[in-house]
Amino acid sequence: GDSVTQMEGPVTLSEEAFLTINCTYTATGYPSLFWYVQYPGEGLQLLLKATKADDKGSNKGFEATYRKETTSFHLEKGSVQVSDSAVYFCALSETFGNEKLTFGTGTRLTIIP
Amino acid sequence: DAGVTQSPTHLIKTRGQHVTLRCSPISGHKSVSWYQQVLGQGPQFIFQYYEKEERGRGNFPDRFSARQFPNYSSELNVNALLLGDSALYLCASSLAQGQPQHFGDGTRLSIL
Repeated sequence: GDSVTQMEGPVTLSEEAFLTINCTYTATGYPSLFWYVQYPGEGLQLLLKATKADDKGSNKGFEATYRKETTSFHLEKGSVQVSDSAVYFCALSETFGNEKLTFGTGTRLTIIP
Repeated sequence: DAGVTQSPTHLIKTRGQHVTLRCSPISGHKSVSWYQQVLGQGPQFIFQYYEKEERGRGNFPDRFSARQFPNYSSELNVNALLLGDSALYLCASSLAQGQPQHFGDGTRLSIL
C-alpha cells in the first residue's frame, strides 16, 4: 500500500539557518504530494503541493520539488524564523475515487533565536 | 469566511460509551473527510463523504461510522469506546474531488 517516510525529528535550528526535511514515498500510481504544517493546538494547514513529476510547490518561502525518479518531496527553506516552529507532515493522495491522504509521522521543528 | 468547524473541542468519555463528533465544512464544500491523529503520529484516514455518499473508508473497525447531511455537515460516531480511541479527530473539507483539503482544529477525545 501507499506510505510516506519522513526524516525523524525533532529538528532544532537557529534562526536564519537553512532547513531541509526529507520525505520519500511509495505509491502504486501517480500521486499528488503535499506538505502540511500543524501549530500547537491547531489542525493541519496546507503549506504547499505538487501534482505531477518535476512540479515545484512553494509558499511562505518553503519549497518542495516532486521527484519521481527518487520518489521524494523534500521540504526546504533558505532562512527559517522562530514562527516556523511547528510539526510538518508530508502526505500523498492517489486519485482512485476518494481523497484519502496518507501522512508521514511528522517532523517537529524548533527554531531558536 | 469561516473555516472548517468541529464540535466539541474536547471530550472525555469512559470505556464502552459511544461518542458523536460533528463537523461543518467550509461553505460550498461538498466533500468531508475524517482522520484520527494519535499523539506523536500522523493522521490516519477514517472516512470520506462526497455529496452524502461514502467514497472511502480506512482500516478502522465497524465501531466507527459516519454520515453526511444534506447541508454537507457530517457526524462521526464511535461505539464501544476503547482506551486506544483516545486521539485528536480531524475533519477536512474540500470543494470537490481532487481539490485541496482544509482541516478543522479537531476534537480531542480522551477515554478513561
